[in-house]
Amino acid sequence: QKEVEQNSGPLSVPEGAIASLNCTYSDRGSQSFFWYRQYSGKSPELIMSIYSNGDKEDGRFTAQLNKASQYVSLLIRDSQPSDSATYLCAVNRDDKIIFGKGTRLHILP
Amino acid sequence: GAVVSQHPSRVICKSGTSVKIECRSLDFQATTMFWYRQFPKQSLMLMATSNEGSKATYEQGVEKDKFLINHASLTLSTLTVTSAHPEDSSFYICSANAGAPIASQYFGPGTRLTVL
Repeated sequence: QKEVEQNSGPLSVPEGAIASLNCTYSDRGSQSFFWYRQYSGKSPELIMSIYSNGDKEDGRFTAQLNKASQYVSLLIRDSQPSDSATYLCAVNRDDKIIFGKGTRLHILP
Repeated sequence: GAVVSQHPSRVICKSGTSVKIECRSLDFQATTMFWYRQFPKQSLMLMATSNEGSKATYEQGVEKDKFLINHASLTLSTLTVTSAHPEDSSFYICSANAGAPIASQYFGPGTRLTVL
């Protein structure tokens, strides 16, 4: 089982709708969870970090964590064309960050 | 925010040559730096953890004699790909950790290596 699993997509969402991205992880000892956005040919950019169960909101982004289910999600409200990118879920393993393969998100104008 | 630079941004070399990539933290001291490799449409794969003044810790399956890492100061880490081959062509990204919490990890812009 991979440490961090994501559906590779592409996920197509109409502009203005809610995009929902999901991720599962295998290490129950992980305590830190991250969502990164990566545009083609660029390095990742941190969008959200979450450390405790529940929801965390930041602008149009909401991260959700369920440690019992080993599940992390990212909701993007009012999706914009500029949100089209690959979204990487990442978790900590000790002092390192381990990335999932990423989900390609395409916002349809 | 903190800035991490990488040089060069893009390099093309012949098979068998060695290539050095620099990673610098510009406005903070990085106790730890990380080197990742990303193939097209693949995830970032952690190659090694670089600590200032000590040997790098390599992830399983990464050849330490092929990917030489030097972290000579708190602001500079280098990755040397020795005897590069076409299969080493990839996007190499470094990140620097300014300390706790773990989220304070800043990524460089990446280096695109193409081996002919």
